[in-house]
Amino acid sequence: EIVMTQSPATLSVSPGDRASLSCRASQSVYSNLAWYQQKPGQPPRLLIYGASTRATGIPVRFSGSGSGTEFTLTISSMQSEDFAVYYCQQYNTRPPLAFGGGTKVEI
Amino acid sequence: QVQVVESGGGVVQPGRSLRLSCTASGFTFNNFGMHWVRQAPGKGLEWVAVISYDGSNKYYADSVKGRFTISRENSKNTLYLQMNSLRPDDTAVYYCAKGRYGGFTDYCDYWGLGSLVTVSS
Repeated sequence: EIVMTQSPATLSVSPGDRASLSCRASQSVYSNLAWYQQKPGQPPRLLIYGASTRATGIPVRFSGSGSGTEFTLTISSMQSEDFAVYYCQQYNTRPPLAFGGGTKVEI
Repeated sequence: QVQVVESGGGVVQPGRSLRLSCTASGFTFNNFGMHWVRQAPGKGLEWVAVISYDGSNKYYADSVKGRFTISRENSKNTLYLQMNSLRPDDTAVYYCAKGRYGGFTDYCDYWGLGSLVTVSS
C-alpha cells in the first residue's frame, strides 16, 4: 500500500509570495498524481492531474511538477482566494487510493 | 453541468446501519467510475471506496472493508454506500465524487457537497 506524505503541514505566506508544497510517495507512482484544494466548508476541488496538467478553469499561477516519488505544487503568486488546504492523491496502483495528510496554506 | 448530490446522512447509534445515496446529473453516469471519500471533523481526506463504471469492480479502504458496500444503479444515475456496523470513528462528512475515467484507478474531477454522518449513542 502506498503512503503519501505532504510537507510542510502548515505553510505561512504573504499575498504575492510564491508557495511551494511538497508531496512524497512511498514508492513510485510515475505521473499518476493529483492535487486538490479545499476551502473551509467546501468540498475539494481538482487542481492538477497527471502531476502537471491543470484541470479546467484552474489559473495558470498553479503548477505541478515531479514524477516517481517526489512532487511539488507551486503557486506562483499567492492570491487571497488561494489560502486553503491542499491535498495530493496517488492513482497509480490498485486501490486504496491514498491521499496525503494535507498542507494548510495560511497568511 | 456536472452535478453529484449526496443524501441519507444523519445521526445513528453505534452498531447500526445507514445508506447514503448520490444522485448524478450532467454526464453519462454509466461511463464513469465513482468514489466515496470521507473527512472526519477537523481531519484530512480519507478515500473510502470506488466502483467501476459497470459495477464489476469494487475496492475499499481497509478501515471499512467488510462493513461498507458500494453499489450503483445506472438506470437511476445513482451511487450508494451501505454502511453497516457503524462505529464512532466513522463519523465524517461523506463525499461522492466522479472519477475521470471508467475504471477504479483514477482521480476525482467533480465532488458533491457532502453528507454528514454522526455515529453516537
